[in-house]
Amino acid sequence: DAKTTQPTSMDCAEGRAANLPCNHSTISGNEYVYWYRQIHSQGPQYIIHGLKNNETNEMASLIITEDRKSSTLILPHATLRDTAVYYCIVRALYGGSQGNLIFGKGTKLSVKP
Amino acid sequence: DVKVTQSSRYLVKRTGEKVFLECVQDMDHENMFWYRQDPGLGLRLIYFSYDVKMKEKGDIPEGYSVSREKKERFSLILESASTNQTSMYLCASSHRDTGEKLFFGSGTQLSVL
Repeated sequence: DAKTTQPTSMDCAEGRAANLPCNHSTISGNEYVYWYRQIHSQGPQYIIHGLKNNETNEMASLIITEDRKSSTLILPHATLRDTAVYYCIVRALYGGSQGNLIFGKGTKLSVKP
Repeated sequence: DVKVTQSSRYLVKRTGEKVFLECVQDMDHENMFWYRQDPGLGLRLIYFSYDVKMKEKGDIPEGYSVSREKKERFSLILESASTNQTSMYLCASSHRDTGEKLFFGSGTQLSVL
């Protein structure tokens, strides 16, 4: 699985968009980009995933660059409840050991009033 | 609402005790996983199961065993608890067709004294 690089921490003002970057320069053609988050004292929560097209759901948008070497998770209107550690994971669909996701250290997002 | 339920939120056990951590999911998922999470080490996969009575070792299976007698239930067993097994234990499940979209429980914080 390709390795990912994320900033250690970021701040965002409440109500503003939070843009969380992720570099995955060694990504392979069959690897998807997944985003999870973990709010303090809870289990990780799936947010979104994509292959090469931009994706949007009720939680967030995922923008993947054309060369697929980086991506950005966008929370359009961050709230205090979005304060969490955000993990970017690259993984082939139906790759070996399905579900054996490597979470890494992630980005600690702090949303401030 | 989909749910992965772990039997205990906090657990304190003594060294040498046999410990059972229970996990139940109500989504009819084929795949179930046990992770542990430690500060600085992230999430690490202990065991997983793709079907009833089936199990596979993850990255750190030593000192653990699992049981999956029914589709909805996946148990993690510490045969003889040791202090280095003090950790947050997270159970997760996923559907066979969307294997990397994991649903996590809230976790069990186990302290072995």
